[in-house]
Amino acid sequence: GAGVSQSPSNKVTEKGKDVELRCDPISGHTALYWYRQSLGQGLEFLIYFQGNSAPDKSGLPSDRFSAERTGGSVSTLTIQRTQQEDSAVYLCASSSRGDRGTDTQYFGPGTRLTVL
Amino acid sequence: GDSVTQMEGPVTLSEEAFLTINCTYTATGYPSLFWYVQYPGEGLQLLLKATKADDKGSNKGFEATYRKETTSFHLEKGSVQVSDSAVYFCALRVHGSSNTGKLIFGQGTTLQVKP
Repeated sequence: GAGVSQSPSNKVTEKGKDVELRCDPISGHTALYWYRQSLGQGLEFLIYFQGNSAPDKSGLPSDRFSAERTGGSVSTLTIQRTQQEDSAVYLCASSSRGDRGTDTQYFGPGTRLTVL
Repeated sequence: GDSVTQMEGPVTLSEEAFLTINCTYTATGYPSLFWYVQYPGEGLQLLLKATKADDKGSNKGFEATYRKETTSFHLEKGSVQVSDSAVYFCALRVHGSSNTGKLIFGQGTTLQVKP
């Protein structure tokens, strides 16, 4: 079946502009995660959605970052007033359930964001 | 807090050499442990996992054993191939009702295998 998909694959923007990154999880997966992969910080957790529960936003680096998940499926990560330090690869992952530590998270190919 | 430490790379080996990538962890709860691999130009893929002490995860000739006494999950392969060249990430997830299931990653180790 289809895996996790993300769009766009690449995004180049100017400093100060807003960007939206999209994630389509594997069908039926109730848990969805956003991570960021950058040279300086490695792979870091951003935000987690599980069903209808309140999201865990503890990894968001600033209030310029926000995310939503509509209808329990597609998710959008929004970065407002982008800064050069936001340049990174943004990864989305999904799993069948988030509240069991043994579940496998399946990752999408990522969106490479470059802020000029 | 919870953390994962991997040996720094890059690791350069000749084909058919033995591979070990060290990984140790610190966890406040009882973690599951994972190795993910990222091949050039591709996304992260789960390589193997272990969910309790003394479990051995294995896949594609790679193995790792969950050692609670040494808080380690070292990745090994007896004979590497050029196609194993990739970045390898060790990760943990802590169980528990307050846990969101997020993965905590090590810094990654780049493996380059030469023919």
